[in-house]
Amino acid sequence: AQKVTQAQTEISVVEKEDVTLDCVYETRDTTYYLFWYKQPPSGELVFLIRRNSFDEQNEISGRYSWNFQKSTSSFNFTITASQVVDSAVYFCALRRVYSGGGADGLTFGKGTHLIIQP
Amino acid sequence: DAMVIQNPRYQVTQFGKPVTLSCSQTLNHNVMYWYQQKSSQAPKLLFHYYDKDFNNEADTPDNFQSRRPNTSFCFLDIRSPGLGDAAMYLCATSRGTSGRAVQYFGPGTRLTVT
Repeated sequence: AQKVTQAQTEISVVEKEDVTLDCVYETRDTTYYLFWYKQPPSGELVFLIRRNSFDEQNEISGRYSWNFQKSTSSFNFTITASQVVDSAVYFCALRRVYSGGGADGLTFGKGTHLIIQP
Repeated sequence: DAMVIQNPRYQVTQFGKPVTLSCSQTLNHNVMYWYQQKSSQAPKLLFHYYDKDFNNEADTPDNFQSRRPNTSFCFLDIRSPGLGDAAMYLCATSRGTSGRAVQYFGPGTRLTVT
């Protein structure tokens, strides 16, 4: 069975601080994909990043960066110099891949509510 | 802009009264999904359509049904809503079902059951 754990239910920081959102996953599969989504108050889940299980290269996109460590089954997300507009619920998700190439639906963590105070 | 649209954004129904939620997309994706998200919880997949093929999750209650009359539209029918079905319902689409396929979500419909 697959499982995604986001232990931080809520994080509150002051604007311009750096913040890291943790994601730990469990799977017996060797091939899978990991995703991060942002859910602002409007409700729509916005895709941020995708990473496959064979690519442990970290990624940076502007103020956002992701650290994938297979050895610890973690895919953490860091926002540098946070802004009020970053306030949202952030979800980490896992998707297993079958040997034939098809895949399950997304297994989401419970999300981390990030509050950036001005 | 290409997008996933859900109507209505807010829906109130009475206990036991059938309700239909709708989703449309301009992305021309062949896969459409319905997720249920209860308050402060993770979205949970109910079912998905790959083209016209319906794929139900094993633990989705029979009370939930879906229809996909064409590529652009997909409906979620709740035959006899209970108080426990109050939730946000999210529609998503993707191009194919490979592991790398990104799912694009609509804004959701928040269902209240009175």
